Amino acid sequence: AQSVSQHNHHVILSEAASLELGCNYSYGGTVNLFWYVQYPGQHLQLLLKYFSGDPLVKGIKGFEAEFIKSKFSFNLRKPSVQWSDTAEYFCAVKGDSSYKLIFGSGTRLLVRP
Amino acid sequence: SAVISQKPSRDICQRGTSLTIQCQVDSQVTMMFWYRQQPGQSLTLIATANQGSEATYESGFVIDKFPISRPNLTFSTLTVSNMSPEDSSIYLCSVPLGQGGGYTFGSGTRLTVV
Repeated sequence: AQSVSQHNHHVILSEAASLELGCNYSYGGTVNLFWYVQYPGQHLQLLLKYFSGDPLVKGIKGFEAEFIKSKFSFNLRKPSVQWSDTAEYFCAVKGDSSYKLIFGSGTRLLVRP
Repeated sequence: SAVISQKPSRDICQRGTSLTIQCQVDSQVTMMFWYRQQPGQSLTLIATANQGSEATYESGFVIDKFPISRPNLTFSTLTVSNMSPEDSSIYLCSVPLGQGGGYTFGSGTRLTVV
């Protein structure tokens, strides 16, 4: 069955610290991968996406993610977090020929000023 | 990319009653999706709504409980019927972003059933 695992449920960092959020998926085929962010009181926003090509994807607000096919992973990174990055982050996967988006359980990030 | 207007943004309802949630998109889209986000959990797809046909429901969701309408290419409604406290969740609609890929989401409806 298709699934997405986000191993870190809660992460607490100080400003300027580096961030890496793990995401692993289970899917038997070509995938499209996404990271969404949900700031407090706001709706889901697309942070970045991978469809094909360069496995290192750059998104908004300095975020990037690397698709490692052999590890079925799509980890999210940011070299230096800010207080405004406090939010919940969701990894999601979709089969290339499917419309159905499967979400991970989410990671709540708290950045302390 | 499409902009979705979803309402109501929140509601508190008595058990046994029904609530209809509306999503209006500023462009025509073939597929619209309805998700549920239970407290502290991730998003789960309820159903896919295509204009002109019956909605396709995911495992664990049934039409009698979550009837969906899709009268045209810019609008859809989801009704949560005969509500119980277990239905307390955030309900979101979503549409494809188009050729660029990905999906955009409405602002969600926070439902509390008492």
